[in-house]
Amino acid sequence: AQSVTQPDIHITVSEGASLELRCNYSYGATPYLFWYVQSPGQGLQLLLKYFSGDTLVQGIKGFEAEFKRSQSSFNLRKPSVHWSDAAEYFCAVGAPAGTASKLTFGTGTRLQVTL
Amino acid sequence: EAQVTQNPRYLITVTGKKLTVTCSQNMNHEYMSWYRQDPGLGLRQIYYSMNVEVTDKGDVPEGYKVSRKEKRNFPLILESPSPNQTSLYFCASRPPRQGMNTEAFFGQGTRLTVV
Repeated sequence: AQSVTQPDIHITVSEGASLELRCNYSYGATPYLFWYVQSPGQGLQLLLKYFSGDTLVQGIKGFEAEFKRSQSSFNLRKPSVHWSDAAEYFCAVGAPAGTASKLTFGTGTRLQVTL
Repeated sequence: EAQVTQNPRYLITVTGKKLTVTCSQNMNHEYMSWYRQDPGLGLRQIYYSMNVEVTDKGDVPEGYKVSRKEKRNFPLILESPSPNQTSLYFCASRPPRQGMNTEAFFGQGTRLTVV
């Protein structure tokens, strides 16, 4: 069964500092990987996704993530955090085409940004 | 505009009173699903549907029903709501599986409180 682990429940960073949110997945084949962001009171917005190809993917709002197969990781990074980045971030793994196409989410990491 | 629309956004109800949360998408997606979001647990899948008249249980289906009579609509039914179903609910849809982008699009969420 597929699973996602986000080991950090809550992270606080200063505005302008760099950010890395950790995500480890468990899946038997090549996964589809996603990062979503949820601002307070809002739905989920896709930040970026990895299906194949270049293991470093760029997303919206200046975020990037790197797929490392050997470490089963898909960590999210941003060089300089803005106060508006304060939100909850979810990593998700999806089954590839031809299967049940289920998305499995991690438990989320809440990001607080101090000024 | 491509979107997934849920109604209502907020709902307070009493134990045992049947309710339906509607979900509609305008992207002609085959795959639709319902998730519930609870603090510390992330998003968990309740039910999903691969196409019209094809539905199946997700990870936490107890106490819920769904139907898929039309491609665009996927209502979530709580026949006899209980307080442990107080949660934030999200509907999502995805394009066809075979060889296509499998990004999921989410509705804005429905916050349900059962008293």
